[in-house]
Amino acid sequence: NAGVTQTPKFQVLKTGQSMTLQCAQDMNHNSMYWYRQDPGMGLRLIYYSASEGTTDKGEVPNGYNVSRLNKREFSLRLESAAPSQTSVYFCASAPTPRGSYEQYFGPGTRLTVT
Amino acid sequence: AQSVAQPEDQVNVAEGNPLTVKCTYSVSGNPYLFWYVQYPNRGLQFLLKYITGDNLVKGSYGFEAEFNKSQTSFHLKKPSALVSDSALYFCAVSHNQGGKLIFGQGTELSVKP
Repeated sequence: NAGVTQTPKFQVLKTGQSMTLQCAQDMNHNSMYWYRQDPGMGLRLIYYSASEGTTDKGEVPNGYNVSRLNKREFSLRLESAAPSQTSVYFCASAPTPRGSYEQYFGPGTRLTVT
Repeated sequence: AQSVAQPEDQVNVAEGNPLTVKCTYSVSGNPYLFWYVQYPNRGLQFLLKYITGDNLVKGSYGFEAEFNKSQTSFHLKKPSALVSDSALYFCAVSHNQGGKLIFGQGTELSVKP
């Protein structure tokens, strides 16, 4: 099992460009999450998908959109990148949306917006 | 609103000594509490969790954590630190609606030989 995979690993964008971060899991999990990690701020939830066919906003959704393409895949799109979106992005998955389950994290995408 | 605080940005410990990484939380209702570890340029790895029951929870790599409801704390501990324990540690509380995690800001643990 690969677990949670993310592509790309690194990306540099110019302000105003768009891109999509890809995430896939092979653990048959129902719930998937996108977080961003900034120094001194821990991880903050951007969007999540409790189950296939549903998506909801997290703590910091502005400037992002998501698509739950199928049970395995959950993508994050930046329509018009801004320097404030420079961050490390992590995708995670969990068996169910119940809070008692731990989440499994991907290796991250390091994004720089110039 | 739920929140998590890790009061120390950095903890320095000598190898072989006990270590403690502190975490306090604020939640309504019964908390689900987690510890994750992040090694450089890697994703987060689950260490342990408290859901209910025994206040002392044992996890991976010899780590344990003590849930204290009266002090709203969930400190991470290890009796004897290893250099390889050096990493960034995150405490988190889970929201039962959607399983969303709320993280503390992280504590950098440095274990010196």
